[in-house]
Amino acid sequence: EVKLLESGGGLVQPGGSLRLSCAASGFTFTDFYMSWIRQPPGKTPEWLGVIRNKANGYTTEYKPSVKGRFTISRDNIQNILYLQMNTLRAEDTAIYYCTRGLGLYWGQGVMVTVSS
Amino acid sequence: DVVMTQTPPSLSVAIGQSVSISCKSSQSLVASDKNTYLNWLLQSPGRSPKRLIYQVSKLDSGVPDRFSGSGSEKDFTLKISRVEAEDLGVYYCLQGTHLPFTFGSGTKLEIK
Repeated sequence: EVKLLESGGGLVQPGGSLRLSCAASGFTFTDFYMSWIRQPPGKTPEWLGVIRNKANGYTTEYKPSVKGRFTISRDNIQNILYLQMNTLRAEDTAIYYCTRGLGLYWGQGVMVTVSS
Repeated sequence: DVVMTQTPPSLSVAIGQSVSISCKSSQSLVASDKNTYLNWLLQSPGRSPKRLIYQVSKLDSGVPDRFSGSGSEKDFTLKISRVEAEDLGVYYCLQGTHLPFTFGSGTKLEIK
């Protein structure tokens, strides 16, 4: 059974940093692209970025508005996906989801609140 | 960015009725490999989104065949035949052809 479990969310002050983790199980992690998607409360989801699979060199792509502030990486030994978020702003407040590929499997999400 | 225009924003239907949701993209979603990466997702209340359909018309495993997708290029439709109570929630289209990938604004389905 495919499982994705996000962690690392919480309250952070504007300008701060946070690293989210997504523990993956039930599939061969290195075979799959992995994405981060966020959803502000009551709003539409927003794709943030993707990290490709082993066959495609684990390269990354980002939504332009977060490129340079957010970094996606993966630990292919422990099967963990990461999202490093720096210089956080109030508008980054959202539920953050990891997904396998583009949307077939989702985690339960983790809340990030950016506020002073 | 590709803009996904989804209509209507909300629907209220009785059990057993059929409904259609439209999604129009600002650019053709035909990729260089000739596939069209248009997905439909359902977010049930309080839950993570769940993909129902990929590549316009292919149903994900376990999705009832009451759901169907159609369309091409820039114009796509999700149809739900014989709506059931469990179908309530917000439906989103999501394009995976052009970076950055983008969502439609959602259609909230309510049961009368």
